[in-house]
Amino acid sequence: ELKVEQNPLFLSMQEGKNYTIYCNYSTTSDRLYWYRQDPGKSLESLFVLLSNGAVKQEGRLMASLDTKARLSTLHITAAVHDLSATYFCAVDILVWTVSDGLTFGKGTHLIIQP
Amino acid sequence: EPEVTQTPSHQVTQMGQEVILRCVPISNHLYFYWYRQILGQKVEFLVSFYNNEISEKSEIFDDQFSVERPDGSNFTLKIRSTKLEDSAMYFCASSIPVSTYYTFGSGTRLTVV
Repeated sequence: ELKVEQNPLFLSMQEGKNYTIYCNYSTTSDRLYWYRQDPGKSLESLFVLLSNGAVKQEGRLMASLDTKARLSTLHITAAVHDLSATYFCAVDILVWTVSDGLTFGKGTHLIIQP
Repeated sequence: EPEVTQTPSHQVTQMGQEVILRCVPISNHLYFYWYRQILGQKVEFLVSFYNNEISEKSEIFDDQFSVERPDGSNFTLKIRSTKLEDSAMYFCASSIPVSTYYTFGSGTRLTVV
């Protein structure tokens, strides 16, 4: 059974600080996703990481993937209040070309205080 | 930008009643999914659907649940006899073959009373 563990589950930080969210998964997967969710809203896709060593950056967020360690990180640089949200990582496995569905972590509830 | 549309946005139903949640995936997408999220918890996979049949389903997707693509545009999730623990946000998603991207709908909040 594929398991995805995120930590921390709750993070309160000040604006301007840097921090990293960690995502571990239990078995080999094909794709690693990061999503953002605002309260009561849907899932907004942030990054898709496909290969070992992949790094993607968008604004103050940077995601990386180490497939050997089965670890992905989401790094926040110089946090601003607008980044307050819940961040989920998720993985899936392809059976031929069809995904077996995303397995999500529990999410990291991030609060950024002025 | 194309969207996945879900209706209704919020549905309240009595325990034991049947509900149908509706989704209109993006028109050229071929893979369809339902997920649920109990308030404050993680998103859980329910079922995937391709070529007019279920391709994968989770343990949550028991005999009370069914999916259908009745008319080539809608993709529905039916819960036959709702229970209190079915209260959750239900998300529909779709994707194209070999794509790495899923497009999620805005969700239907189901409240069972």
